[in-house]
Amino acid sequence: NAGVTQTPKFQVLKTGQSMTLQCAQDMNHEYMSWYRQDPGMGLRLIHYSVGAGITDQGEVPNGYNVSRSTTEDFPLRLLSAAPSQTSVYFCASSLLRDRNTEAFFGQGTRLTVV
Amino acid sequence: GDSVTQMEGPVTLSEEAFLTINCTYTATGYPSLFWYVQYPGEGLQLLLKATKADDKGSNKGFEATYRKETTSFHLEKGSVQVSDSAVYFCALSHYNQGGKLIFGQGTELSVKP
Repeated sequence: NAGVTQTPKFQVLKTGQSMTLQCAQDMNHEYMSWYRQDPGMGLRLIHYSVGAGITDQGEVPNGYNVSRSTTEDFPLRLLSAAPSQTSVYFCASSLLRDRNTEAFFGQGTRLTVV
Repeated sequence: GDSVTQMEGPVTLSEEAFLTINCTYTATGYPSLFWYVQYPGEGLQLLLKATKADDKGSNKGFEATYRKETTSFHLEKGSVQVSDSAVYFCALSHYNQGGKLIFGQGTELSVKP
């Protein structure tokens, strides 16, 4: 059981480049989300999805796009990378309506924009 | 809006010391409360949780009690080990918002032999 798989683990981009961070889960979770982790700020929600074909914005969505064509996959696209997007990105998944739900996290992608 | 506030780190303790990491929250209704732990170079994993007032979550010697009257969920461990060195995140979520977690800023714990 792989859980949540993120790729790549490390990436360096030049300002203005675009890229896609991949996230896949094999637990049949309806809910998937992307967070960014910055020092002293905890994790902030970028985008989330409650099921295939449904996405919504989180706290810090600007500069990012997502899509959810299948239950398993939830890629995050950086449209035109900026130094302010240097961060560690985490994908997470969970069951949707369960008070005891546990979020499962990927191992993260460390992105540096130069 | 909802928010979670944790004590600032880093926290440095000697092995076998008592640990408390404070967490308070602001939220409407009755959220579920969580502690997640992030070991170096890894993603977050659930440490413990509590879903209603006065519930106590526990795991690996860590405990936290959901105190609605003080809106707190402080993390405690009686005797820390070097292997407990990690970043600890307090978080909340609402039943009708699925896995949408609101995190505190994280507290780094370093345990010295």
